[in-house]
Amino acid sequence: AQSVTQLDSQVPVFEEAPVELRCNYSSSVSVYLFWYVQYPNQGLQLLLKYLSGSTLVESINGFEAEFNKSQTSFHLRKPSVHISDTAEYFCAVNPSGGSYIPTFGRGTSLIVHP
Amino acid sequence: DVKVTQSSRYLVKRTGEKVFLECVQDMDHENMFWYRQDPGLGLRLIYFSYDVKMKEKGDIPEGYSVSREKKERFSLILESASTNQTSMYLCASIASGSYNEQFFGPGTRLTVL
Repeated sequence: AQSVTQLDSQVPVFEEAPVELRCNYSSSVSVYLFWYVQYPNQGLQLLLKYLSGSTLVESINGFEAEFNKSQTSFHLRKPSVHISDTAEYFCAVNPSGGSYIPTFGRGTSLIVHP
Repeated sequence: DVKVTQSSRYLVKRTGEKVFLECVQDMDHENMFWYRQDPGLGLRLIYFSYDVKMKEKGDIPEGYSVSREKKERFSLILESASTNQTSMYLCASIASGSYNEQFFGPGTRLTVL
């Protein structure tokens, strides 16, 4: 079984400041890792994912996440946030080679202030 | 453009009513899911289906049932709605293979009075 812990339920930041949203997981098998974003009154959409290869993955809107196997983490970062990044962010894991049913964290609400 | 659609964005029902939430995907995905989303609790899996007419209970199936008569459609049924079922309901689908992402619908915000 897997579990996902998002360490912060809410992260307030000012516009143009850097941000890190933390995600730790536990699993007895190898996993694939995902970050989803949910803008207000919308469903979730994929932000980025790690399957294999380079441990640093990037999204088209400037977010990046680094897979750290030894620390079982997949933290999400952005060097300079914008008001439009205000959203709920969910970390998720899928066990590789097995179930396609993801395990989600409880979400982190990123609030960007002007 | 791939899509998951849900029949209603907002729904208001009375306690004891039977409620149907419909979800349709156009990606020919085998697997479909129903979640409920509540503040501070994240997404909780209610039911999922890996094929037509097949269903499996998720983490919180009590008070809900599902129907999957066609591959593209997955319905969530509240047999007798209660106020503690007031929530955001999200439908998702995924192709077989655990490396794939889930595709989500826009959600239905259900209020039970």
